[in-house]
Amino acid sequence: AQSVTQLGSHVSVSEGALVLLRCNYSSSVPPYLFWYVQYPNQGLQLLLKYTTGATLVKGINGFEAEFKKSETSFHLTKPSAHMSDAAEYFCAVSVLANTSGTYKYIFGTGTRLKVLA
Amino acid sequence: EAGVAQSPRYKIIEKRQSVAFWCNPISGHATLYWYQQILGQGPKLLIQFQNNGVVDDSQLPKDRFSAERLKGVDSTLKIQPAKLEDSAVYLCASRRRGQANEKLFFGSGTQLSVL
Repeated sequence: AQSVTQLGSHVSVSEGALVLLRCNYSSSVPPYLFWYVQYPNQGLQLLLKYTTGATLVKGINGFEAEFKKSETSFHLTKPSAHMSDAAEYFCAVSVLANTSGTYKYIFGTGTRLKVLA
Repeated sequence: EAGVAQSPRYKIIEKRQSVAFWCNPISGHATLYWYQQILGQGPKLLIQFQNNGVVDDSQLPKDRFSAERLKGVDSTLKIQPAKLEDSAVYLCASRRRGQANEKLFFGSGTQLSVL
């Protein structure tokens, strides 16, 4: 079954430092991959997605992710962390839901990012 | 456009009681999902609807959970009877057609505490 694995349930970085959140996927076919962010007391919102084409994907708030097929990875990065980036980040893969022809999301366990002043 | 609406926002019940959650997806979205998010974990899919039909309910504990989307628009999720381990945030999400690369829109969730 297709799935995603997020390494590190908690990551702390200093303000201005590089943010790196790791996600590896398992898929026998080219996957559709997503990163979602959940700010405190808010719903999940899409940061970025990879479907086909360019392997470096740019998202909102300065985040980007690179799809690396050879490493089965889709790590999320941001060059310089801001205090407002403190949130929980989820990697997800879109997979076929049974034989319906529609798709469902499978989410990773999440990484809580803490930004230190 | 209006977002995914969920109610109530919070619910506290005692074990063995029943509870129901309501979701109104974005207008025109055929695909609706209910997810369970336990504290410290990622969202886990409970059930997926395409219009008013169930597409995937493989992880729904059918002895106590039920869900419906009778007219292919809003949906209700029910738990009867509730257990302590059902304490979680229940998220409703929707997308236009359920295709692979479509963005998923989430509601704010219902936080359930079972005492």
